[in-house]
Order: sequence, then C-alpha cells, then structure tokens
Amino acid sequence: AQSVAQPEDQVNVAEGNPLTVKCTYSVSGNPYLFWYVQYPNRGLQFLLKYITGDNLVKGSYGFEAEFNKSQTSFHLKKPSALVSDSALYFCAVTLSGGSYIPTFGRGTSLIVHP
Amino acid sequence: GAGVSQTPSNKVTEKGKYVELRCDPISGHTALYWYRQSLGQGPEFLIYFQGTGAADDSGLPNDRFFAVRPEGSVSTLKIQRTERGDSAVYLCASSPTGDLNYGYTFGSGTRLTVV
Repeated sequence: AQSVAQPEDQVNVAEGNPLTVKCTYSVSGNPYLFWYVQYPNRGLQFLLKYITGDNLVKGSYGFEAEFNKSQTSFHLKKPSALVSDSALYFCAVTLSGGSYIPTFGRGTSLIVHP
Repeated sequence: GAGVSQTPSNKVTEKGKYVELRCDPISGHTALYWYRQSLGQGPEFLIYFQGTGAADDSGLPNDRFFAVRPEGSVSTLKIQRTERGDSAVYLCASSPTGDLNYGYTFGSGTRLTVV
C-alpha cells in the first residue's frame, strides 16, 4: 500500500518570506512523487515531480522540492512567497514499476499574507 | 484536445436519480483516472483505465458506481440511485502510458450535488 501524509492543514507565511509545505510518504519500493496546486473551483495543476536523478527538483512558479529518501519526505519550498501563491497544495505518490495510480494527501492550505 | 475536459461542470440531482459524468482526456493519453474529492479532503482514487479496459476499479465505493471507456478515449462515470453522500467533485486525469514526465493532467472536475 502507498500513502501520503501532509501534517499541516494550513500554513501561514508573510509575503516575501520563504515557505515550506511538508509531505511524507510511505511506499514499498521506489517512489514517484508529485506536487499539485489547486485554486478555488479549479482542477489540480501540476507543479513538479521527482522520478529519478537529482534530489532537488525545480518546478513551476519558482517552487522546488527536495526528495529525502532516508526521511521519506518530499517537502515543497519557495524562497520568497507571493500572495498569489495562496491555494491548496497536494502531495502525491505512486510506485515506480507499478500501475502508476497516484495516492494523494489531504492537502495543505497555504495562506500568504501581504 | 489541449487539456482534459469534463462535463458537466456542475450537476444537481435528486436523491435516487441516475447520473452520468463525462471525461474527454488529452488525445493519445492511454491512461485515464477517476477521482472523487470531498470538501476538505484530497482526491480519492476511484478507477483507472488503460486503454478500453478498467485496469483497477478497487476504489469504486460500491456497485452503484460504474465507469466505461468503450473506445479508449472518452470515459463516462455512472452513478445509480444517487445518495446525498455521493455529493463531491469528481475529477478525471489522464497521462501517456509509461511517461510521467509531465505528471497527470487533471480536468476541472464535475461538482455533483445530490439533494
């Protein structure tokens, strides 16, 4: 079985400050990891992924995430938050070599204050 | 098409009625996924198609839910005898088989409200 935990329901950060949205995963094998963002009344938009290679991956809108195998984590980061980054963020995992069905976390609401 | 299209965007139905939700994936994407997202929750897996066949339907909650993809492109999620607990946003996603370099592309969803 595979699972994802997003331990924070909500993250608050001031505009211009760095942000981190946490994600830990559990999978019996090598993971493929994803971050998605969801704006109100919209579908999920792909931000970035880890498939293989460098542990630090860069994605859309200045976001990046670091794959840490020993801690089974894939935290989302951005050096300087924007008010427009306020949205719901979802982490997802799937098993490499499996059916590639992603399992999603419950989501973290990011609120960036002006 | 350029993206994943889901219709209708909103559907209100009475308890006990039958509904169909449609998903038109990106052309050429052989993998298609249905998810259900309840308020305050992450997307919950329902069913996965590889081509025309349902490769994994383990997420369907009960036999009132059924999905088809007869020609390997458009898929329809069918819900019989709807219940108020079925109210949620139903999301569809597609991807090329074996290529996750662009992740999964999601549609905007169908918001189903059972009254």
